[in-house]
Amino acid sequence: AQKITQTQPGMFVQEKEAVTLDCTYDTSDPSYGLFWYKQPSSGEMIFLIYQGSYDQQNATEGRYSLNFQKARKSANLVISASQLGDSAMYFCAMRDMSGNQFYFGTGTSLTVIP
Amino acid sequence: EPEVTQTPSHQVTQMGQEVILRCVPISNHLYFYWYRQILGQKVEFLVSFYNNEISEKSEIFDDQFSVERPDGSNFTLKIRSTKLEDSAMYFCASSEAADLNTGELFFGEGSRLTVL
Repeated sequence: AQKITQTQPGMFVQEKEAVTLDCTYDTSDPSYGLFWYKQPSSGEMIFLIYQGSYDQQNATEGRYSLNFQKARKSANLVISASQLGDSAMYFCAMRDMSGNQFYFGTGTSLTVIP
Repeated sequence: EPEVTQTPSHQVTQMGQEVILRCVPISNHLYFYWYRQILGQKVEFLVSFYNNEISEKSEIFDDQFSVERPDGSNFTLKIRSTKLEDSAMYFCASSEAADLNTGELFFGEGSRLTVL
């Protein structure tokens, strides 16, 4: 079964607008971590934001925020005030209690339109 | 800022040849990983390594693959006899201890392997 599901293969957003990238996850572990990574066309994987399953507050990092809805098992990434440099692939990932593996979604390709 | 470094950045090899991809994880990290990404596709887990042994491996990580931490700093992935379908970007990653509150995965910039 898919551990991480990203249902949007591609998204477009106007520059300076906000965009939400969807992510749902599946785990029976009581404790887990959720991550978002950005992969620009150059190929490297850049960490953006982290949410722990026991965190009460939604994580925020600058223009990135994570809309964590535990009951719905969703961890959507919100990018505010989109910039042209935000155009990239975005991957949602989860680390389970064993810590032995990070599970990645299939990614969402975001294109910011000037 | 500490970072994971990988070499080579790009390697072209003939089918059937052995390839070794090298990684230097962040020095105080304890968990090490190899992932691969076939062009345009998802990031696939290969293997995780902790305390000098494999802690988990995927179905992809068959007998053709091996990992080693030969000297306490390098973490290598060896493919014994490469196949065309091994062409991919291979990412090394490392993480601090298994505390989920600090367990961010730090990636290297990747090694692109092209098998001809």
